[in-house]
Amino acid sequence: DVKVTQSSRYLVKRTGEKVFLECVQDMDHENMFWYRQDPGLGLRLIYFSYDVKMKEKGDIPEGYSVSREKKERFSLILESASTNQTSMYLCASSLQGGANTEAFFGQGTRLTVV
Amino acid sequence: QKEVEQDPGPLSVPEGAIVSLNCTYSNSAFQYFMWYRQYSRKGPELLMYTYSSGNKEDGRFTAQVDKSSKYISLFIRDSQPSDSATYLCAMSVRGSQGNLIFGKGTKLSVKP
Repeated sequence: DVKVTQSSRYLVKRTGEKVFLECVQDMDHENMFWYRQDPGLGLRLIYFSYDVKMKEKGDIPEGYSVSREKKERFSLILESASTNQTSMYLCASSLQGGANTEAFFGQGTRLTVV
Repeated sequence: QKEVEQDPGPLSVPEGAIVSLNCTYSNSAFQYFMWYRQYSRKGPELLMYTYSSGNKEDGRFTAQVDKSSKYISLFIRDSQPSDSATYLCAMSVRGSQGNLIFGKGTKLSVKP
């Protein structure tokens, strides 16, 4: 089975802190994604990456950056955490190829910024 | 008009009922259609995956895609309390690097 592992289930950080959310997948997937999920707003794409050292902005990249130094690892960075970044963060991965394939999600990181 | 519309519910049904969940979309280029199930405080898990139009059945679950109407459905037969979750539809365009467009999810509660 595909496994996507996020480093923390729950995090509490202070306003202004630099926050790192880590995601690792074990199925050699090329594509990796970071979403945030908020009540009433659904899943919103922050950034995605289709190859090592490649990144593309999603719908809401402001206040975030990402890093993909290795194929299996995709990190989301909150440069200076703010209270409006309190949310559930979800990492996903998928295969790349001629046909789209489904995305597999991690268990999520619930981040609270105080 | 949003690309993918999904009624957020909540939807409450008695155990054993047939459940129908639906999404409509506006982008005729969508070719891949998925349903995810998300339990409270967990990540979404893939439930059904279909390509283009037609039906797909897996146990108590049936996914339908009607591209002419831009409408997809998920049917759950003999619903169980363990089916209580939020159901998210998702879709993508071929060649979009796997970038999925999600509905906002429908919260389902199956009462014993």
